Amino acid sequence: EAGVAQSPRYKIIEKRQSVAFWCNPISGHATLYWYQQILGQGPKLLIQFQNNGVVDDSQLPKDRFSAERLKGVDSTLKIQPAKLEDSAVYLCASSLGHLGAETQYFGPGTRLLVL
Amino acid sequence: AQSVAQPEDQVNVAEGNPLTVKCTYSVSGNPYLFWYVQYPNRGLQFLLKYITGDNLVKGSYGFEAEFNKSQTSFHLKKPSALVSDSALYFCAVRDERNKLVFGAGTILRVKS
Repeated sequence: EAGVAQSPRYKIIEKRQSVAFWCNPISGHATLYWYQQILGQGPKLLIQFQNNGVVDDSQLPKDRFSAERLKGVDSTLKIQPAKLEDSAVYLCASSLGHLGAETQYFGPGTRLLVL
Repeated sequence: AQSVAQPEDQVNVAEGNPLTVKCTYSVSGNPYLFWYVQYPNRGLQFLLKYITGDNLVKGSYGFEAEFNKSQTSFHLKKPSALVSDSALYFCAVRDERNKLVFGAGTILRVKS
């Protein structure tokens, strides 16, 4: 079974530029997550989708970050404009459902460097 | 709020020796606990999880974890470490909103 796919793997931009990341979850997984992992820290949830609806975006900086999951499959996370502190790895994960016992499966991540 | 703590930034062990990576948790209600491993420039890989039942959980690559309710711990263990086990290990707990909350991670170094 194919895993979670993400692209690009690496991105370097200057501050105030915009950037977008793409994620394709495991086939059949209804729940999709975007995490931010800053160097030396554990991943932090940015947003969670159940099909194409948002379940939790309480930690998403909505003034600059946006995400969508049209048609309930692929998802895009956008940052506009980027700040230096946005340098991090952005991880996408998916799970069959959103209940407590469900296992989340992670993609390889996109490493973002903001200069 | 639910949280996990990984008290060791780094664990060093010789190849062939048993290894333990520590995790303690704080939850209200029954905990759902997870261990993930992250290799350089890779995403997180699921190792094992505790939902309910047997306190000893067996997972991938020979890893196991022991759930201890009285000590609120969920330590990751392996009887015989391999150099290829060297990586970053994360403990995580589901919070009351079904969100995964991760610890800061523990670097495991296995030396030959």
